[in-house]
Amino acid sequence: DQQVKQNSPSLSVQEGRISILNCDYTNSMFDYFLWYKKYPAEGPTFLISISSIKDKNEDGRFTVFLNKSAKHLSLHIVPSQPGDSAVYFCAAAGGTSYGKLTFGQGTILTVHP
Amino acid sequence: DAGITQSPRHKVTETGTPVTLRCHQTENHRYMYWYRQDPGHGLRLIHYSYGVKDTDKGEVSDGYSVSRSKTEDFLLTLESATSSQTSVYFCAISEQGGASYEQYFGPGTRLTVT
Repeated sequence: DQQVKQNSPSLSVQEGRISILNCDYTNSMFDYFLWYKKYPAEGPTFLISISSIKDKNEDGRFTVFLNKSAKHLSLHIVPSQPGDSAVYFCAAAGGTSYGKLTFGQGTILTVHP
Repeated sequence: DAGITQSPRHKVTETGTPVTLRCHQTENHRYMYWYRQDPGHGLRLIHYSYGVKDTDKGEVSDGYSVSRSKTEDFLLTLESATSSQTSVYFCAISEQGGASYEQYFGPGTRLTVT
């Protein structure tokens, strides 16, 4: 039972354009959401997060939007750069103790020069 | 960057042998986690620790055990390795595990079971 889903295995975008990565969740107890970025042969690194009391959080070129009624979040990267090419994981937390995260399957983003 | 190291970084082992992976942190964080990453599955939690000698199972704990005798070290043991345990294993740490959900990951261990 996949509680966090990233339905697009891959996304290809031209440099300078917007990248939109999507994530859906089913567990209504989730109240905090995170995005991680992963380069090959490295561990995931934290990118941006959002609490369920907000519907938008911005950090430079990265913006995360949360639609609680649809149980959907998205990560926007504007403008996209070739260095953004990586695997992006969304993760959700809440309803359990000890800060456990539930991750989606990941989306491979490729930004072409 | 959070001070997290994993050893070994790469290992090839035979089916049926025991394997221990080590995660070492220098951040004095209370919470530590072991994940495995497989294509199509993302990161799945194997075991976690909320203090010295305090551990619990994650969603894919069968065939794995953990130990934490010191704050800085979290060991993952495959009691009898199987080919299905071929994967990349990541350790993560978290400062609070509650109000702040951010976890910081180590560089990973690539394990191949032949």
